[in-house]
Amino acid sequence: GENVEQHPSTLSVQEGDSAVIKCTYSDSASNYFPWYKQELGKGPQLIIDIRSNVGEKKDQRIAVTLNKTAKHFSLHITETQPEDSAVYFCAAPPRGYQKVTFGTGTKLQVIP
Amino acid sequence: DVKVTQSSRYLVKRTGEKVFLECVQDMDHENMFWYRQDPGLGLRLIYFSYDVKMKEKGDIPEGYSVSREKKERFSLILESASTNQTSMYLCASSSSGGFENNEQFFGPGTRLTVL
Repeated sequence: GENVEQHPSTLSVQEGDSAVIKCTYSDSASNYFPWYKQELGKGPQLIIDIRSNVGEKKDQRIAVTLNKTAKHFSLHITETQPEDSAVYFCAAPPRGYQKVTFGTGTKLQVIP
Repeated sequence: DVKVTQSSRYLVKRTGEKVFLECVQDMDHENMFWYRQDPGLGLRLIYFSYDVKMKEKGDIPEGYSVSREKKERFSLILESASTNQTSMYLCASSSSGGFENNEQFFGPGTRLTVL
């Protein structure tokens, strides 16, 4: 099955700085990589995703990069704001399977 | 907007009790999932269902069962609750067509404490 590793587990940044969260996966057949954000007291919510035919995708202050050769993908948040404080999960569903494997999560704290 | 609701936000049960966690989605999604969330372990899949009366084991099904009698409702059952089942339980749903392209919509979670 798929194995997804996520680092770091916690991350503290000053407001305005950038934050980077990295994930590695094991199944080379994986071709879709979503990122979810979980705010306090809520369920996770999809914030951005990338497919294997694209190396980078941006949406305002967030971006995701994918390196299929190295089997890793990263979430980049620029100009961080206090409302970015949350737990972030990466995921990697392998092609042909219905199970999806989430990373262990990164708790991001943005310090005003 | 897709809405996934869970029957309780907080639940306290005693060891050995039978526990039902209910989840309802209002977007006619085919797929529904139950996860548990524990610190340092992320989201782990317990069971999922891709159609009414269909179910598949996830990564940690031991001690749990599920029921899906109607498309919009997916229940998680703890036959005999144990203290190691104290956790946050999250329900999610998605449309059909394969997991590789489908956003999962999560409920707010049920924090279960087993004493």
